[in-house]
Amino acid sequence: GAVVSQHPSWVICKSGTSVKIECRSLDFQATTMFWYRQFPKQSLMLMATSNEGSKATYEQGVEKDKFLINHASLTLSTLTVTSAHPEDSSFYICSAIGQGTLNTEAFFGQGTRLTVV
Amino acid sequence: GQQLNQSPQSMFIQEGEDVSMNCTSSSIFNTWLWYKQDPGEGPVLLIALYKAGELTSNGRLTAQFGITRKDSFLNISASIPSDVGIYFCAGGFGTYKYIFGTGTRLKVLA
Repeated sequence: GAVVSQHPSWVICKSGTSVKIECRSLDFQATTMFWYRQFPKQSLMLMATSNEGSKATYEQGVEKDKFLINHASLTLSTLTVTSAHPEDSSFYICSAIGQGTLNTEAFFGQGTRLTVV
Repeated sequence: GQQLNQSPQSMFIQEGEDVSMNCTSSSIFNTWLWYKQDPGEGPVLLIALYKAGELTSNGRLTAQFGITRKDSFLNISASIPSDVGIYFCAGGFGTYKYIFGTGTRLKVLA
């Protein structure tokens, strides 16, 4: 399957600071990338959908000014958690869909564990 | 956010036994995907289903796209200890947006 890489794998930051998480598709061009958040022992909750070169579409209840998403190229999307607070601590996972009309499988990065102290 | 109902929530089985789990929704989906997630890792795609009624296998895993397009099933035959993990279904719309199930936590007793 296709490879999606996230960086960093884990990060600890102080409350009030901002953190950037990168999601890269390594061996395919990703027309669409998705960002999910997963709390312990819970399922993945979709936060936003980003298409290359356009503004991200956020799910209801997700603050777009707090979770900034940039999808500047077909292989890179970034999620910036601004003014992070302890309640933002979670496992953030990206996924990517490749080009091609038959390729609707979503491949996931390994996730980034954010801890805000 | 929207979630799909997955059943059972968790299960303990003996090594060698077969496992069945399902995912149901009130909405119709165009695609069903099944993933396995190990602790601290991202989900790994197991099987993708694209047509109602489709039955697809991947080794010991078999999944089916329900006829009503509102459900899907995953079976694991002859389970082994490394099958332990959390299994998620995901239903997809035409825009490739996927909604995840609540997960089935599988533990295999050797």
